[in-house]
Amino acid sequence: AQSVTQLDSQVPVFEEAPVELRCNYSSSVSVYLFWYVQYPNQGLQLLLKYLSGSTLVKGINGFEAEFNKSQTSFHLRKPSVHISDTAEYFCAVSAPGGFKTIFGAGTRLFVKA
Amino acid sequence: NAGVTQTPKFQVLKTGQSMTLQCAQDMNHNSMYWYRQDPGMGLRLIYYSASEGTTDKGEVPNGYNVSRLNKREFSLRLESAAPSQTSVYFCASSRTSLETQYFGPGTRLLVL
Repeated sequence: AQSVTQLDSQVPVFEEAPVELRCNYSSSVSVYLFWYVQYPNQGLQLLLKYLSGSTLVKGINGFEAEFNKSQTSFHLRKPSVHISDTAEYFCAVSAPGGFKTIFGAGTRLFVKA
Repeated sequence: NAGVTQTPKFQVLKTGQSMTLQCAQDMNHNSMYWYRQDPGMGLRLIYYSASEGTTDKGEVPNGYNVSRLNKREFSLRLESAAPSQTSVYFCASSRTSLETQYFGPGTRLLVL
């Protein structure tokens, strides 16, 4: 079985500062990894995903994430955030051969002017 | 360009009442899902349908039933609502069970 831990429930940051949202996972098999974003009063939408290949994955809106198998992590980064990045971010994991995606509890990113 | 649609957007029920949440997708996806979202708990899978004609339980299926009516539609039924079912419900779909999921806008349910 897989599990996901998002290490920070809330991350406040000033506009134009860099940000990292941390995600660790556990699994006995190889996994697919995802980051989704949820803007207020909306459903989730995909930011980026790792299926295989290069461990550095680039997504929409300037976000990127790095898959680290030895540390079982998939941290999300952005070098310079905007006010519009204020949202909740979810890390998720699924396993080939399975049918379920497991979501973390979410990290609320607050970008302050 | 509808994607995934859900009805209703908001509903208030009394304890013991029943209701059905509707979900439809127009992307010809095979897999569909129902999640509930509660503060501090992320999304929890209630039921999913890997393909038309099949449904399976997720993490929190108690108190719910589902129907995969056809490839497009996947409904969630609460037979006897309880206050613990107050939540925001999201429907999602994906081309196959492991690929990117596309989410609807959600249904906010309040059970008094």
